[in-house]
Amino acid sequence: SQELEQSPQSLIVQEGKNLTINCTSSKTLYGLYWYKQKYGEGLIFLMMLQKGGEEKSHEKITAKLDEKKQQSSLHITASQPSHAGIYLCGAGGSQGNLIFGKGTKLSVKP
Amino acid sequence: DAGVIQSPRHEVTEMGQEVTLRCKPISGHNSLFWYRQTMMRGLELLIYFNNNVPIDDSGMPEDRFSAKMPNASFSTLKIQPSEPRDSAVYFCASNWGGYDSNQPQHFGDGTRLSIL
Repeated sequence: SQELEQSPQSLIVQEGKNLTINCTSSKTLYGLYWYKQKYGEGLIFLMMLQKGGEEKSHEKITAKLDEKKQQSSLHITASQPSHAGIYLCGAGGSQGNLIFGKGTKLSVKP
Repeated sequence: DAGVIQSPRHEVTEMGQEVTLRCKPISGHNSLFWYRQTMMRGLELLIYFNNNVPIDDSGMPEDRFSAKMPNASFSTLKIQPSEPRDSAVYFCASNWGGYDSNQPQHFGDGTRLSIL
């Protein structure tokens, strides 16, 4: 069965620093979603990537899907406290359902 | 626009009691998903409805769990009898098109369930 591995599991950065979160799949990805979750809240959709090499940006967050479509990265430039939360990647599973990585917990120190 | 609405936000009850979680999907969405989130297992799909019909319930842990969707604007997830290992955050999500859609799922704020 397909699995999504996220790294790192947790990350603490100083405000203003850049950071990258990775999501690796055991199988080819057909649609990769990035979500953000704040404690006690639901998941907020950030971006979806479908094509190999595709890159999308929203404000200071950029996500990219590699050419082989088995790995995606989420890059945050000049991090702010508002970026803190748990970032999850999700992708279509073998049964057609959406499966998720276990998340990367990001803390941003002011 | 109203998002996915779940109730209650928090539920604390004793083991053996029946628990009912409720969800109102976004108006116009035809697919609804129930998820469970724990530290150990992350976010897991429990059941997926399309046009009010259960399509995939392979994630439902056991017979103690049941879900219904009597109409397009309401769904329930019931646990009877509840056990401490059911403690988790339960999310409801909806979208248009379900599995085969490129539309992202929109999540509610979840129900934090604690079984004592």
